[in-house]
Amino acid sequence: NAGVTQTPKFQVLKTGQSMTLQCAQDMNHNSMYWYRQDPGMGLRLIYYSASEGTTDKGEVPNGYNVSRLNKREFSLRLESAAPSQTSVYFCATRPIPGPYEQYFGPGTRLTVT
Amino acid sequence: GENVEQHPSTLSVQEGDSAVIKCTYSDSASNYFPWYKQELGKRPQLIIDIRSNVGEKKDQRIAVTLNKTAKHFSLHITETQPEDSAVYFCAASKGTNAGKSTFGDGTTLTVKP
Repeated sequence: NAGVTQTPKFQVLKTGQSMTLQCAQDMNHNSMYWYRQDPGMGLRLIYYSASEGTTDKGEVPNGYNVSRLNKREFSLRLESAAPSQTSVYFCATRPIPGPYEQYFGPGTRLTVT
Repeated sequence: GENVEQHPSTLSVQEGDSAVIKCTYSDSASNYFPWYKQELGKRPQLIIDIRSNVGEKKDQRIAVTLNKTAKHFSLHITETQPEDSAVYFCAASKGTNAGKSTFGDGTTLTVKP
């Protein structure tokens, strides 16, 4: 089993460009999350999806949109990238109900110039 | 919402010494407290967790203690080894609300040989 996968691994964008970060899981988990991690800081929640067909804002949703395409896939879209969105983005999943451990993807390192 | 504070932000110990990292949380309804280890360039991975109905949990050299009254929990690593060097994150979450977690800002642990 692949667990949680993310594509791409690295991306460089110019200010104003758009892109979509992809996340997929084969763990049959209901809940999925998108976090950003800036240097020296913890993980901040951007958006989450408690189950297929639902999405909700987290702490730092401005400048992002998400789509829960099906149970397996949860994508994060930057419509008009800004340098402040330079970060490492992690997708995570969790079985709800059940143990509350989160399982993280390998991350996408995004640089906006 | 929940607020998690983590101290210290950096910690340096000699190999074989013990390391202690402390976190406080604000929401008394939080009932699940995981600790994640993140090595450089890697994804966060769970190393130990504790639920609110337990005061202490041990797994070999790692232990976590929880004081619900004071709303704080701590990670204890004994007999530290160089491979324990990493960033450690605490988190707090509730069983409701899609199991969202709030993370501390992380502690960079360096174990000197």
